[in-house]
Amino acid sequence: NAGVTQTPKFRVLKTGQSMTLLCAQDMNHEYMYWYRQDPGMGLRLIHYSVGEGTTAKGEVPDGYNVSRLKKQNFLLGLESAAPSQTSVYFCASSLFSEGYTFGSGTRLTVV
Amino acid sequence: DQQVKQNSPSLSVQEGRISILNCDYTNSMFDYFLWYKKYPAEGPTFLISISSIKDKNEDGRFTVFLNKSAKHLSLHIVPSQPGDSAVYFCAASAAQGAQKLVFGQGTRLTINP
Repeated sequence: NAGVTQTPKFRVLKTGQSMTLLCAQDMNHEYMYWYRQDPGMGLRLIHYSVGEGTTAKGEVPDGYNVSRLKKQNFLLGLESAAPSQTSVYFCASSLFSEGYTFGSGTRLTVV
Repeated sequence: DQQVKQNSPSLSVQEGRISILNCDYTNSMFDYFLWYKKYPAEGPTFLISISSIKDKNEDGRFTVFLNKSAKHLSLHIVPSQPGDSAVYFCAASAAQGAQKLVFGQGTRLTINP
């Protein structure tokens, strides 16, 4: 029972580089989310999806894109990384009426 | 514009005593509230929740209280144990369920032996 799996766990990028973070869940959840955690800011919603093929913007979407081509996967892309995107990224999934199940996070550093 | 606020970044409590973590919110549309617990290098895990139609929910050592008029909720842990040392996040939703959660900044709880 893997739950929510995020890859990679750590990554260092140079400014301007691109990368994709992968989130996979095996619980058949409809809803999936990407959050970032920064000191003193808590968890802020970047993008989310209410089902396969759908995505929507959250609180801090600028500089990120997402795709949900398969129900079990939710990808977060950074087209041109900036130092301000240094953060810990968490993916989560849920059913409508239950709390989230989070992945263990991806620590991203942009230099 | 922080809609969910945890004004205490840290809290230190003696083992066996009560831990009280507080959370305030500003959006009157929030109708579902949750607490998450996070250990270092792990994702947050769901702890307890409460709907706006209730003012108290209890699960073992954990109790959440909701005061809608004050837009305030609190998490009580009794008795506190060393394994409770973690960061606790308050979260709220206006979607009649646990969707599009808005999180507070977190409170780091340390339980001292």
